[in-house]
Amino acid sequence: DVKVTQSSRYLVKRTGEKVFLECVQDMDHENMFWYRQDPGLGLRLIYFSYDVKMKEKGDIPEGYSVSREKKERFSLILESASTNQTSMYLCASSSLGLAGDNEQFFGPGTRLTVL
Amino acid sequence: KQEVTQIPAALSVPEGENLVLNCSFTDSAIYNLQWFRQDPGKGLTSLLLIQSSQREQTSGRLNASLDKSSGRSTLYIAASQPGDSATYLCAVRRYGGSQGNLIFGKGTKLSVKP
Repeated sequence: DVKVTQSSRYLVKRTGEKVFLECVQDMDHENMFWYRQDPGLGLRLIYFSYDVKMKEKGDIPEGYSVSREKKERFSLILESASTNQTSMYLCASSSLGLAGDNEQFFGPGTRLTVL
Repeated sequence: KQEVTQIPAALSVPEGENLVLNCSFTDSAIYNLQWFRQDPGKGLTSLLLIQSSQREQTSGRLNASLDKSSGRSTLYIAASQPGDSATYLCAVRRYGGSQGNLIFGKGTKLSVKP
């Protein structure tokens, strides 16, 4: 079974703090993703990575950065947390799937509250 | 622009009933469509993935169909149980988009009453 783990289930930070969210997958997947999920807005893609040190912006990259130094690990960084970044953050991974068979597998999520 | 819609937003049924959840998308040029389940406060669990060349996929009591030409997919749940209560999300990977281009619907919240 694919396993995607996230470093924290719940996190409380203060405005202006630098926040790191970590995600690890154990299936040697090329692709990794960070989404945020908000009531009424659904899931929105922040960033994704298709290889080590490679990244692409998603729909809402502003205020975030990412790091992928190893294939199994993808980090989301909030350089200076703000209250509007309070949300549920979900990490996912998938194989390269050039034929379209790249099923995405999700982690349990991190509920981040910025005070 | 690809848009994914799920109707209804919420559904309540008695235990044992067969039910259908609907998903529609505006652009038929897709690689695949994926159905997920999400329990409150948790991550997403992948249920079924249908490639664009397929018409349906089955897993246990679940059957998902895909009609690309009409931009529709349905998730059929047979003999529903209280444990099926969750939010069900569909998502499409748009053809020609990058690997990250998975567009989600807002989900149908299902409640199965004992």
